[in-house]
Amino acid sequence: TQLLEQSPQFLSIQEGENLTVYCNSSSVFSSLQWYRQEPGEGPVLLVTVVTGGEVKKLKRLTFQFGDARKDSSLHITAAQPGDTGLYLCAGLTTDSWGKFQFGAGTQVVVTP
Amino acid sequence: SAVISQKPSRDICQRGTSLTIQCQVDSQVTMMFWYRQQPGQSLTLIATANQGSEATYESGFVIDKFPISRPNLTFSTLTVSNMSPEDSSIYLCSVIQGNTEAFFGQGTRLTVV
Repeated sequence: TQLLEQSPQFLSIQEGENLTVYCNSSSVFSSLQWYRQEPGEGPVLLVTVVTGGEVKKLKRLTFQFGDARKDSSLHITAAQPGDTGLYLCAGLTTDSWGKFQFGAGTQVVVTP
Repeated sequence: SAVISQKPSRDICQRGTSLTIQCQVDSQVTMMFWYRQQPGQSLTLIATANQGSEATYESGFVIDKFPISRPNLTFSTLTVSNMSPEDSSIYLCSVIQGNTEAFFGQGTRLTVV
C-alpha cells in the first residue's frame, strides 16, 4: 500500500496546455518534495514544501502544500516539451527517520 | 546540494553473477539510501546504509542478496548477488541534506540476461 497516492498515472498533453498532478495521503508530512526524472537520470529535486498552505512558484510550475500537510499539487502552466518526464512526490513524516515515502509517479508527455 | 557520483551507469550481466554499484558523495553524510526503480515506476527503498554499522534492510530485501558496504562517510557500495532477470532494474543511491531534501545519483541501469 502506497502511503502517498499520486494521480494521474499518465498525462499526455499538447504544448501550451496546463496540467495538474496531485499527491494525497492520510498521513501528515513534515516536508514534501517534488522531483522530475528524465530517462537515464536520477530524480532531480524541484521543490520542498514544509508549511501547511504554502505555495511555491518555480517559473511555470506552481507547488501547493495542503493546509493539513497531507496533500500537495503541482501545476504546470503552458507546458512545453521540455517538461516531459516522470514527476514524483515524496514525503517525510516525523517518525520516518529520513526514509522518504514516494508516490507512484506521474508520467507527463508534452507533444509539440 | 550534494553531488553524487554513481557507477557504473549501466551494465548487462549474465544471470548467476554479481554486480557491485559504487556511490560517491562530495560531502560527508550520516545516512545513505539505496533504491530500486522499475522503468517508468516509482522508487522502492532497499536499505539504509550507516557508516560503522550494518545496513538496515526494508521488507522484502535481505543482506545475502543485496550486501552493502559503508566504509566511510562519503562512500557506499551495493552488490546485487546471484542475479536473475527479475533483478533488471534501475538502482539509485541517495543522501539527505538539511533533514528535508533527498538528492540522487544518476542511477545504474542493470539488465540481467
